Amino acid sequence: DGGITQSPKYLFRKEGQNVTLSCEQNLNHDAMYWYRQDPGQGLRLIYYSQIVNDFQKGDIAEGYSVSREKKESFPLTVTSAQKNPTAFYLCASRGRIDSNQPQHFGDGTRLSIL
Amino acid sequence: ILNVEQSPQSLHVQEGDSTNFTCSFPSSNFYALHWYRWETAKSPEALFVMTLNGDEKKKGRISATLNTKEGYSYLYIKGSQPEDSATYLCARIMDSNYQLIWGAGTKLIIKP
Repeated sequence: DGGITQSPKYLFRKEGQNVTLSCEQNLNHDAMYWYRQDPGQGLRLIYYSQIVNDFQKGDIAEGYSVSREKKESFPLTVTSAQKNPTAFYLCASRGRIDSNQPQHFGDGTRLSIL
Repeated sequence: ILNVEQSPQSLHVQEGDSTNFTCSFPSSNFYALHWYRWETAKSPEALFVMTLNGDEKKKGRISATLNTKEGYSYLYIKGSQPEDSATYLCARIMDSNYQLIWGAGTKLIIKP
């Protein structure tokens, strides 16, 4: 079945360490997104990509980086510059960024600090 | 960021009762409104995509209405069942950049 796979489900980061969250989709979607969820808040956009080899900063991009070398893959790196990385991270995709199609989501990765 | 507000934050409803909750958003530059259901330990799944003022959409016992002029959408659940327990999220899309701006959600708990 088509869908979005995020891994790992749980991740722990040490001080000063960069960690990478994986997101793979087989829906043939052009647009992919990374969101962060904190308790009591709506999903906040970290980065998005409209097409391969292109990505744009969202509202809270500081301390994060992404790449989009393949249509299917949109990994997110949480760098040591992100001082408060503990959160739930969701990856999503949509056919096209300007379409009226809904977003499809992965199951999420929960990142914690050791 | 133009905020999307959802109310109430949480809601306890007796099984069999009907319920509704609200998504409020700035009405300017409206492009679309999405509703999603997010069950515990699962990924959010889309319920409705609404674009036109006066839109009404229905999926089984769940329906939604849209008023783009005053900036709100209602989600209704008729005859609540335990499987309706979830967090319901709405997100507004502006026509300028097509990004989704999310509300914090309404957590619905159905009491048997």
